[in-house]
Amino acid sequence: DAGVIQSPRHEVTEMGQEVTLRCKPISGHDYLFWYRQTMMRGLELLIYFNNNVPIDDSGMPEDRFSAKMPNASFSTLKIQPSEPRDSAVYFCASSLVGADGYTDTQYFGPGTRLTVL
Amino acid sequence: AQKVTQAQTEISVVEKEDVTLDCVYETRDTTYYLFWYKQPPSGELVFLIRRNSFDEQNEISGRYSWNFQKSTSSFNFTITASQVVDSAVYFCALSYRRTGNQFYFGTGTSLTVIP
Repeated sequence: DAGVIQSPRHEVTEMGQEVTLRCKPISGHDYLFWYRQTMMRGLELLIYFNNNVPIDDSGMPEDRFSAKMPNASFSTLKIQPSEPRDSAVYFCASSLVGADGYTDTQYFGPGTRLTVL
Repeated sequence: AQKVTQAQTEISVVEKEDVTLDCVYETRDTTYYLFWYKQPPSGELVFLIRRNSFDEQNEISGRYSWNFQKSTSSFNFTITASQVVDSAVYFCALSYRRTGNQFYFGTGTSLTVIP
């Protein structure tokens, strides 16, 4: 079975440019999560969706960041305009709801390493 | 407030030694889940284990074992006879109902196994 798929795996861009990161969750999963990982701040939850609906976007650092999930098999995280401090590894993860209604395991994609010059 | 604490930032051991990674969590919920993930140098996050708050049995999987103790709010991870391939950053995480299905990750423990 395919895991979570992210593209691109690496992105190098210049400050001010728009960046779009893509994620395909595991088929049938109800939840999709976007994380950012940096040395300074560790793993940060940016936003998560349940059945394509954003549930909590309180982790989105500022208005330059936006995320969408137009259908159950695709999500994007967009940064516009990008800044050097956005350089990080961005992970997408997906999960089912467990039989007891609680969250099941999150499975992570390989990540996108973003460098903003 | 920190919900998951991994006090050990970095650990180095010599191959074949046993090593224990500590995880202390904080929640007032009676139902919650604990997880461990491994992040090898290649960067991906690999799921290792999921444990619910009602199951305090220790678990063993090959050289890996987990000790869950509600009395001390700890969920420690032991690698027996460590190998170089165990070198990675290990994350402990917590989720509970009041926060929807968010995970709270610890800051990770970087393990280096020296050959």
